[in-house]
Amino acid sequence: GAGVSQSPSNKVTEKGKDVELRCDPISGHTALYWYRQSLGQGLEFLIYFQGNSAPDKSGLPSDRFSAERTGGSVSTLTIQRTQQEDSAVYLCASSYLEGYEQYFGPGTRLTVT
Amino acid sequence: GNSVTQMEGPVTLSEEAFLTINCTYTATGYPSLFWYVQYPGEGLQLLLKATKADDKGSNKGFEATYRKETTSFHLEKGSVQVSDSAVYFCALSDRATNKLIFGTGTLLAVQP
Repeated sequence: GAGVSQSPSNKVTEKGKDVELRCDPISGHTALYWYRQSLGQGLEFLIYFQGNSAPDKSGLPSDRFSAERTGGSVSTLTIQRTQQEDSAVYLCASSYLEGYEQYFGPGTRLTVT
Repeated sequence: GNSVTQMEGPVTLSEEAFLTINCTYTATGYPSLFWYVQYPGEGLQLLLKATKADDKGSNKGFEATYRKETTSFHLEKGSVQVSDSAVYFCALSDRATNKLIFGTGTLLAVQP
């Protein structure tokens, strides 16, 4: 079946602009996770959804970052007023239930110029 | 807090050599442990996992044993191939939060 998909695959934006990153989890997966992979910080957890609620937002680096999930499926990660330090690969993962194996999407490479 | 420490790379080996990539963890409770692999230009893939002490995860000739007494989950393979060249990440999943906490990754380069 289809895996986790993310769009866009690449995004270049100017500093100060807002961006939206989209994640389509595997059908039927109730848990959805966002991570960030950057040279300086490695792989970092950002936020986790169980259904449409986000029990753990502890990894969001600032209030410029927000995420939502609607219909228990698609999730959008929004970064407002982007900064150069936001440049990274943003990864989405989903799992059948919380605690089960997480399957990762190919990521969105964000470059802030 | 929870954390994962893995050996720094790059690790460069000749084909058919034995591979060990060390991984140790700090965690409260009893986390699940994972090795993920990222091949060049591809996304993260689960390589193997272990969910309790003394469990051995294995896949594609790779193995790792969950050692509670030494808080370790070292990755091993008896004979590496060029196609194993990738970045390997050790990770733990906290049972309370479900998020994955990753090590810094180890680049493996296998030469023919």
